[in-house]
Amino acid sequence: QSVLTQPPSASGTPGQRVTISCSGSSSNIGSNTVNWYQQLPGTAPKLLIYSNNQRPSGVPDRFSGSKSGTSASLAISGLQSEDEADYYCAAWDDSLNAFYVFGTGTKVTVL
Amino acid sequence: QVQLQESGPGLVKPSETLSLTCTVSGGSISSYYWSWIRQPPGKGLEWIGYIYYSGSTNYNPSLKSRVTISVDTSKNQFSLKLSSVTAADTAVYYCARTIFGVVKRYYYYMDVWGKGTTVTVSS
Repeated sequence: QSVLTQPPSASGTPGQRVTISCSGSSSNIGSNTVNWYQQLPGTAPKLLIYSNNQRPSGVPDRFSGSKSGTSASLAISGLQSEDEADYYCAAWDDSLNAFYVFGTGTKVTVL
Repeated sequence: QVQLQESGPGLVKPSETLSLTCTVSGGSISSYYWSWIRQPPGKGLEWIGYIYYSGSTNYNPSLKSRVTISVDTSKNQFSLKLSSVTAADTAVYYCARTIFGVVKRYYYYMDVWGKGTTVTVSS
C-alpha cells in the first residue's frame, strides 16, 4: 500500500555521501512533514529525522533531511560501516481516508 | 526513559483473532498517541493505526474493517486486535509512542519503539 516511492538500494564507500530519494504526492509529502527511520538488521526501526530536517537527540549530524514539493531526501555524509541498514521515509497522508504511510524502503550498503 | 514491550501469542490460527498488548514503562501513557506498525518477513513497514490516551483512534483504511485498538490507562497498556487473520498477516508487530499534531501541516512520527514481536498465522 506504500504511496511513497524510494529506490530499492543505494551504496557507497566509507566516507562518501549517499542520498536517498522519497517521492510522494500532494496529499502526503506535499502537505505534511516527512520523517525518516533507520532499521539496522534484526532490530526495530529508529527515528532518524522528523519534521523534514530535525534530528532527535543522539542522531549524528552526518544525517540530514530535506523536502521540496512532493519529494524528500535523506543524505548520509561521511558514510560509515554502521550505517548499513534499511531506511524508510514516512508522512501523514490527509487524503479522504487519512493515514500514515511509509516509503518502500531503501537498503544502504557500505562497500 | 520510556520503554515499550509487546506481548501476545506468537502463533494464531487462520480466521481467528490476533491479540497483542503493548506495555509502557518508565513513563505515563497519558498525553501521547500510540501506534501499531507491522512488517511482514522480508518486506517493508505498514502502519496499522493509532490510539490517543483518551481513546480516539484512526486505522489504516486497508485494515480498518478488521482492526481494533484500545487503551487501558490504569495499566499503562494499549492493545491491538486483528480479526479474521490469514497468512498475509504473518509479520513482526511493533508498538510505538507517537507524536501527532498540526501546525499548518500535520506532523506524525514514532519516537520510541518496542522491540517487536513475531506473529505467525498458521494452522
